Amino acid sequence: QITLKESGPTVVKPTETLTLTCTFSGFSLNTSPEGVGWIRQTPGKALEWLVLIYWDDDKRYSSSLRSRLNITKDTSKKQVVLSMTNMDPADTGTYFCVRSGWSETLTGYFFDHWGQGTLVTVSS
Amino acid sequence: IQLTQSPSSLSASVGDSVTLTCRASQGISTYLAWYQQRPGKAPKLLIYGASTLQSGVPSRFSGSGSGTDFTLSISSLQPEDFATYYCQVLNSYRTFGPGTKVEVK
Repeated sequence: QITLKESGPTVVKPTETLTLTCTFSGFSLNTSPEGVGWIRQTPGKALEWLVLIYWDDDKRYSSSLRSRLNITKDTSKKQVVLSMTNMDPADTGTYFCVRSGWSETLTGYFFDHWGQGTLVTVSS
Repeated sequence: IQLTQSPSSLSASVGDSVTLTCRASQGISTYLAWYQQRPGKAPKLLIYGASTLQSGVPSRFSGSGSGTDFTLSISSLQPEDFATYYCQVLNSYRTFGPGTKVEVK
């Protein structure tokens, strides 16, 4: 059974860096073409894909947020960590950890397992 | 690539059949997925590749389309199907549409 669970602060101040951890189970993130990423849901922008890291440490970033994002993995701990700098109230929302799915012709573009999400509020 | 979904909401009854539409601003072949999100829950993958049903998803869900126009059909709505549905383009942008909310009439 595949599960993903997000953890981290519920409140961050403007200009601070947000760090969220995804702890997963049921897969290793050591095997092609596995990937884990982050998607957020904000009142203003609905669902927005942020970033993805693959089994081989290849990383893909949202072009609009690339300068603020970093993603790392620790497969021994089965964790993926998201860092997002210079947080703003507009970044308030629910952040989901996701596993990317694959098929014969599509790899890494859709998301077949989601964590429950964690609500992050940016406020002073 | 921008995605628009119509209608933004619709009202239906249990047992009804409904069709939701997603339109892409340019052709995306069949590179589209559909998700269902129930209130307070994470989205759930229903369909990818425009028409391939994800494992475990009931057969009353079906997807079709290619190019710019896509549809998600639900035959015989069940109580658990009242939710918001999102489409997503399967390219490097991984953009989501704004959603269609299916409500109880």
